[in-house]
Amino acid sequence: QSVLTQPPSASGTPGQRVTISCSGSSSNIGGSTVSWYRQLPGTAPKLLMYNDNERPSGVPVRFSGSKSGTSASLAISGLQSEDEADYHCAAWDDSLNGWVFGGGTKLTVL
Amino acid sequence: QVQLVQSGAEVKKPGSSVKVSCKSSGGTFRNYALHWVRQAPGQGLEWMGGLVPMFRTANYAQKFQGRVTITADESTSTAYMQLSRLRSDDTAVYYCARGGEYQVRYTWFDPWGQGTLVTVSA
Repeated sequence: QSVLTQPPSASGTPGQRVTISCSGSSSNIGGSTVSWYRQLPGTAPKLLMYNDNERPSGVPVRFSGSKSGTSASLAISGLQSEDEADYHCAAWDDSLNGWVFGGGTKLTVL
Repeated sequence: QVQLVQSGAEVKKPGSSVKVSCKSSGGTFRNYALHWVRQAPGQGLEWMGGLVPMFRTANYAQKFQGRVTITADESTSTAYMQLSRLRSDDTAVYYCARGGEYQVRYTWFDPWGQGTLVTVSA
């Protein structure tokens, strides 16, 4: 059971906008920044978003992040087939004195 | 550009130990946190612990306290994760990942190593 809660799956058609949620508490998301990672099958996770809503160099602008209270979201607009992957959220937890992750969301492009 | 390269796959017996290495190149090693994150088959990511090499003291997830040891060798820019008393449910891909400067808290993980599959089987 992961400390951060993500939906196990999400889907959309090419061109659509999809949102993936990440729910936590005041000891993690509510008191820390959130980062997001994309993981293609059989590969290592890769940083997709940091500090809630900042994109690393090379990440397209159609990826955006937001946070409100103890929940965060990752939005992907103009969905493309290559966006099919697992998406994970993460945050530092002050109560656990450690990092916590969501269970991951498998995104399918129909 | 920082790159992390991990050691190869391991097969271990229950009750034994495994030590995985993570060699860093292309950036400053001693100031930045090195974390270990594992992923069991079909499961999510799980943080095991991390340390800033120059401070030498690691932070461990409560779940792994007493069973995991994370160290770093500044002379070779290599971090190590040793997990003891292995069980079948320790079968997973183990990743190293670079964290923030001077601290294991907050910030983010970037980049990640390629992963090391550890299989625990009798």
